[in-house]
Amino acid sequence: DVKVTQSSRYLVKRTGEKVFLECVQDMDHENMFWYRQDPGLGLRLIYFSYDVKMKEKGDIPEGYSVSREKKERFSLILESASTNQTSMYLCASSFMAGFADTQYFGPGTRLTVL
Amino acid sequence: DQQVKQNSPSLSVQEGRISILNCDYTNSMFDYFLWYKKYPAEGPTFLISISSIKDKNEDGRFTVFLNKSAKHLSLHIVPSQPGDSAVYFCAAGGNQGGKLIFGQGTELSVKP
Repeated sequence: DVKVTQSSRYLVKRTGEKVFLECVQDMDHENMFWYRQDPGLGLRLIYFSYDVKMKEKGDIPEGYSVSREKKERFSLILESASTNQTSMYLCASSFMAGFADTQYFGPGTRLTVL
Repeated sequence: DQQVKQNSPSLSVQEGRISILNCDYTNSMFDYFLWYKKYPAEGPTFLISISSIKDKNEDGRFTVFLNKSAKHLSLHIVPSQPGDSAVYFCAAGGNQGGKLIFGQGTELSVKP
């Protein structure tokens, strides 16, 4: 079974704090993704990575950065948390780009920024 | 510009009846489409997919139909069960370098 784990299920942070969200997958997938889910907006892609040390901006990268030092680990960083970053954050992974790239998701991190 | 749209935010169905969830897309270059199911406080789980060269794919109680001329796909659940109550997302990919484009989601409620 594909397993994608995220470091925290729930987080509460203060405005201006630096926040790290960690994601680990155990299936040797090349691709990893960070999304946020907000009601009525679906899943929006923040950043993704095709390989170690590679990263690409998604649709809403502002206020976020990422790090991929090892193939199995993809971190999302909120440099200075703001209240509009309160959301559900979802990590996903998939095999290298090709047909029917099914993405496998972690359980999500519910982040609240006060 | 929303390339994948689910225009119904919610759907309520009686147990045992058919649930039909709809999804429209604008990009005719998509190669495949997927449906995900998401329970509250959990990540989405893959449900079923369909290639753009097919018009139907079936897996147990779940069937996905694709109408390329209308740029429309639908997910049929027959018979619906209370455990099917969840948010369903459609997604499209194939010309996005491994990325998927997701719709807004439809919350399905199956009442006993």
